[in-house]
Amino acid sequence: EAQVTQNPRYLITVTGKKLTVTCSQNMNHEYMSWYRQDPGLGLRQIYYSMNVEVTDKGDVPEGYKVSRKEKRNFPLILESPSPNQTSLYFCASSQGATYNEQFFGPGTRLTVL
Amino acid sequence: EDQVTQSPEALRLQEGESSSLNCSYTVSGLRGLFWYRQDPGKGPEFLFTLYSAGEEKEKERLKATLTKKESFLHITAPKPEDSATYLCAVQGSGYALNFGKGTSLLVTP
Repeated sequence: EAQVTQNPRYLITVTGKKLTVTCSQNMNHEYMSWYRQDPGLGLRQIYYSMNVEVTDKGDVPEGYKVSRKEKRNFPLILESPSPNQTSLYFCASSQGATYNEQFFGPGTRLTVL
Repeated sequence: EDQVTQSPEALRLQEGESSSLNCSYTVSGLRGLFWYRQDPGKGPEFLFTLYSAGEEKEKERLKATLTKKESFLHITAPKPEDSATYLCAVQGSGYALNFGKGTSLLVTP
């Protein structure tokens, strides 16, 4: 089954404790992206990657890191999480960087205390 | 800077009562305008891509149209299962995707 998977689905952590949210897709897609979704603010793009070793900032990259060492994986790293990073995070992938529908993962609900 | 504004924020319809959702946008060099549906607690699900003014696409009770400044998602004779949040997004000359805040649709029997 074609899908985007994220782990963990739920995470409660404390300020400053480094964490990684994994994202994997099995569709051989080139483009992958991370979003956060907050009430009243909608979906905002954090980082995106057009291919292996190619990443770029979205609208809200501060406090986040990403890497794209393999085509199928695109982890999101929070080196020192803060309470304002409490949010619902979605990973997405598409065949190319343009004109293509994005397939979204199920989401990761992160709470930073 | 690309901007996307969706209206209304929320819409309540009776089953069978047709209506339209609006997505106004400003973008430099539109590559594509996308409509997604999002159910509570789930990731957005793709509905349509529109590329140029005048284009229309249909899927079951939904029809999306595009002008140079806005897009409409027309819902004909909606059913309760059409209740969801509908998101509009644009991709401009860069590769980032900018989403609107969505329209929350509730269809009552």
